[in-house]
Amino acid sequence: SQQGEEDPQALSIQEGENATMNCSYKTSINNLQWYRQNSGRGLVHLILIRSNEREKHSGRLRVTLDTSKKSSSLLITASRAADTASYFCATDEGSNYKLTFGKGTLLTVNP
Amino acid sequence: ETGVTQSPTHLIKTRGQQVTLRCSSQSGHNTVSWYQQALGQGPQFIFQYYREEENGRGNFPPRFSGLQFPNYSSELNVNALELDDSALYLCASSFGGPNTEAFFGQGTRLTVV
Repeated sequence: SQQGEEDPQALSIQEGENATMNCSYKTSINNLQWYRQNSGRGLVHLILIRSNEREKHSGRLRVTLDTSKKSSSLLITASRAADTASYFCATDEGSNYKLTFGKGTLLTVNP
Repeated sequence: ETGVTQSPTHLIKTRGQQVTLRCSSQSGHNTVSWYQQALGQGPQFIFQYYREEENGRGNFPPRFSGLQFPNYSSELNVNALELDDSALYLCASSFGGPNTEAFFGQGTRLTVV
């Protein structure tokens, strides 16, 4: 079963614009991780935010976590064509630290 | 580059056959997890190995089995292949434990015909 649900399912923007993707989940978590996937290949780890953290930055990425609303957002600032990819949130919720993924947001950045 | 390597990259098998996929984990990582990703979906957890023992399993039938070796590399075996097993199979390695990042390989694209 998939716990995380990304919103929107697809997003198309122009280069230089900001892109915001949201993720909702259902149960309590240890942490939430965001991944990028290009063309159905491997997942690239972007950022991990722990359940006791509210905001985290990494380069052009900003992630927020609201555990009371069971939601997270990923903001990519000043987007580039190379940011075109699918973005997934994944929650780490259990004792064996498996990741539960949503269906992803397909981001298209037009040059 | 994550240091997690998977082989082969692509594979075509016939329904009913058996397949073995391989994963070399990142240096120092003692935990390997396998995921199945169907087209247009997010990855689904198959199982996890920690220090050569299965440490959790998702909702997959017993014909999906695995191994982890002393060097922490791993294999995923699927018996009696079905058409619905066609997917991208991803391996992830980590240190294990809470709040550690999982690093993925490039995956093996399995097509069952």
